Amino acid sequence: SQQGEEDPQALSIQEGENATMNCSYKTSINNLQWYRQNSGRGLVHLILIRSNEREKHSGRLRVTLDTSKKSSSLLITASRAADTASYFCATDTGNQFYFGTGTSLTVIP
Amino acid sequence: EAGVVQSPRYKIIEKKQPVAFWCNPISGHNTLYWYLQNLGQGPELLIRYENEEAVDDSQLPKDRFSAERLKGVDSTLKIQPAELGDSAVYLCASSLNTDTQYFGPGTRLTVL
Repeated sequence: SQQGEEDPQALSIQEGENATMNCSYKTSINNLQWYRQNSGRGLVHLILIRSNEREKHSGRLRVTLDTSKKSSSLLITASRAADTASYFCATDTGNQFYFGTGTSLTVIP
Repeated sequence: EAGVVQSPRYKIIEKKQPVAFWCNPISGHNTLYWYLQNLGQGPELLIRYENEEAVDDSQLPKDRFSAERLKGVDSTLKIQPAELGDSAVYLCASSLNTDTQYFGPGTRLTVL
């Protein structure tokens, strides 16, 4: 079974709005990563946050990690139509690596 | 820098036939992963190699699936015999140690 669960499963927003998606996991982790997957394509790494970090930024992306709640969030600011994709969180426990179920984001121009 | 290369991109076979997928990781990456991804779901790890050693194959159905990574570079994933439920996209990824993974385009398998 997959460790990570993303919420919401699907999200539709207008271009320019912010998009927030959440990830919850079950066991202790070394790091948590977010990936993007465009339809029919491979996954692209977005950002990695380690277990001793609480927040990380990369361009229009902001990731937070709360290890006490075993949860992470990905915020995409000023969304663009090109951000339309599925977003997955992935947890590295040191021994195993799990992807979540994904959030399908649609940005309407 | 070349990315992760996978072949074939598409494969259609009849059930009970064997099938093999090939992956060439990014040069210098010591860790290689094989994933299975069903439509609308996240990738599920099948096996992870560190150099030539399979360090996590707990999710690999060993009765029909096998994998090898000769010389710690290229890898092949084999299914024999294939079943209808094996239809999925098979993804290969590589990384330097276990940080950022770089994914190939995947092989879409259809079992008829």
